[in-house]
Amino acid sequence: IAGITQAPTSQILAAGRRMTLRCTQDMRHNAMYWYRQDLGLGLRLIHYSNTAGTTGKGEVPDGYSVSRANTDDFPLTLASAVPSQTSVYFCATGEMNSGANVLTFGAGSRLTVL
Amino acid sequence: GQNIDQPTEMTATEGAIVQINCTYQTSGFNGLFWYQQHAGEAPTFLSYNVLDGLEEKGRFSSFLSRSKGYSYLLLKELQMKDSASYLCAVSDGDYKLSFGAGTTVTVRA
Repeated sequence: IAGITQAPTSQILAAGRRMTLRCTQDMRHNAMYWYRQDLGLGLRLIHYSNTAGTTGKGEVPDGYSVSRANTDDFPLTLASAVPSQTSVYFCATGEMNSGANVLTFGAGSRLTVL
Repeated sequence: GQNIDQPTEMTATEGAIVQINCTYQTSGFNGLFWYQQHAGEAPTFLSYNVLDGLEEKGRFSSFLSRSKGYSYLLLKELQMKDSASYLCAVSDGDYKLSFGAGTTVTVRA
């Protein structure tokens, strides 16, 4: 089934630990994004990649890093997790359709940092 | 950057019409999107406007006025399954999407 796979679905993590959230797509979309969603704040862009080999910073990049070695994979790494990074993380791909960059979202990864 | 405002919550009765307003200020514009998000699920694409006017898609319609920085999503013949959050999003000059905080719509019988 075509789509976006995120892993893990849910994770509880001790502060200070390193964590990588995985995102894999099989739709061959060029653009990929990581958002975090917090109550009352909506979706905020962390990092993005317009094409394999390139990445860019979004609205809230501090404490996070990404890589885009190929078209399909876009992992998000928290080098040293802090409680404020407790959130639901959504990976998304973007496809240009009649001039619109329509995003398709993965199911999300719920991360709790204690 | 983007500044996107929409109401936090709205309640309506099954079969009724609800209009969700969204105002935005942007430093580049490549369209306005509406997404639907049911509780505990991922957002899904509903509609896209890049030119002024109304776009109709079944029970859902979306309107855009670029000069006023204003959009609305109109939900007609409300059904219980329409209870969800509706997210207004603006595409900037680099085609990145910035989202509003979302409007939670509750449909009552």
